[in-house]
This record gives sequence, structure tokens and C-alpha cells, in this order.
Amino acid sequence: GQQLNQSPQSMFIQEGEDVSMNCTSSSIFNTWLWYKQDPGEGPVLLIALYKAGELTSNGRLTAQFGITRKDSFLNISASIPSDVGIYFCAGQRRTSYDKVIFGPGTSLSVIP
Amino acid sequence: NAGVMQNPRHLVRRRGQEARLRCSPMKGHSHVYWYRQLPEEGLKFMVYLQKENIIDESGMPKERFSAEFPKEGPSILRIQQVVRGDSAAYFCASSPPWTSGGYNEQFFGPGTRLTVL
Repeated sequence: GQQLNQSPQSMFIQEGEDVSMNCTSSSIFNTWLWYKQDPGEGPVLLIALYKAGELTSNGRLTAQFGITRKDSFLNISASIPSDVGIYFCAGQRRTSYDKVIFGPGTSLSVIP
Repeated sequence: NAGVMQNPRHLVRRRGQEARLRCSPMKGHSHVYWYRQLPEEGLKFMVYLQKENIIDESGMPKERFSAEFPKEGPSILRIQQVVRGDSAAYFCASSPPWTSGGYNEQFFGPGTRLTVL
């Protein structure tokens, strides 16, 4: 079945550092999504990407839709303690209805 | 505007019992999705429902699991004769009706954590 791979699996960084994480797939996706999940809560959408090569920012977060349509990355600049959580990439293969497939997540810890 | 509501937040069942998980979508949302999350893993799609209709159940186990979204009231995910492997967090999401193009954002509830003893 469809699978997404995320790297790294976990990260420990100092407050103020920049963070980069990525997501890859063996098949093409037409929509890439980045979600954040806080402990004990449901995921919250951070950024949605719709076109190959698209670069989108949301505050300190920047995400890109890979040219091959098989990957995406998320950057967080100047990390702060509230950035702690699990970051999931997700995608849909079709532009009409399609189920959302989630990656296994990258766990981010920020050391004050 | 209340978000997606799920109850109970925590549910403990013994093997062989039934578990009923409830989800009330956001106001104005007519589409509901259920996901399962095992520890240290991402969310796995289970089922997509509209009012009184199951649209996509490709992620639902063939036995013991069922879902409904009646005309009135919340969506229900029902697990019969639970086993230890059913222990997980179950998330519900809702969205407005689908439109062409773009992503029909799914808003997630806080989840129900099911523990099977």
C-alpha cells in the first residue's frame, strides 16, 4: 500500500535553532500536507501544498512540494519551546476526494 | 464555534466487550472521517462518512468494526468483542462538503484513547 517515510524520526535541538525535516514517497502525490500533533491532542494542519515546486510559508514555518511530486520538506526557523510536538506529513494522490495518508511522524524536542 | 468533539476521551474495556466511540463534527460540517493511531505511529485512515452514507470504508477491518453517521446525532465508531490489539487512540475529523481543487481541510477532534485489558 501507499507509504510515506519521514526523517529524522526524532530531533533534539536548542531553542533558537532552525529545524528541517522531510517526507518521501515511492509514488506521486498531488497534495502534500503538514500537521502538528501536541501530546494528548488531535493533529492540526500547518501547511497545505498543491503544486509541484510550490513553496509556502506560515509564520516561522516553510514547506515545499518537491518537483518530482514524491517528496516535501518542512523548515522551522528560530525554534521556540512551543514547537515541541510530533510533525506529520500527509498526502493525497488525487485532487478530488481521496483518503489522506499519514507518515509516521518526526518528534521534535526543544531544549530551552 | 466549537471544534470537533469526541467522547469519551478515555475508555477502558475488557476483552470481549463492546466499545462505542462518539464524534460530533464541527458546525456546518457534513463529512466525518475516523482514524486509528497506534503508539509511535502516524494516523491510519479507517472510514469516511456523510450523513447516513458510508463513502469510503477501505481502511476498516473486515470484522468487529462498524461506523455510522445518522441523520441526527453524532457519528459512532463501534468495536465489538474488543481484543488487546484494538488498544489505540481513535481520532475523528470533520470537513465541509468537497469542492473541486484544493484540500478539503479535515479538522481533528482530541481523540478517544481506548485501552483493552
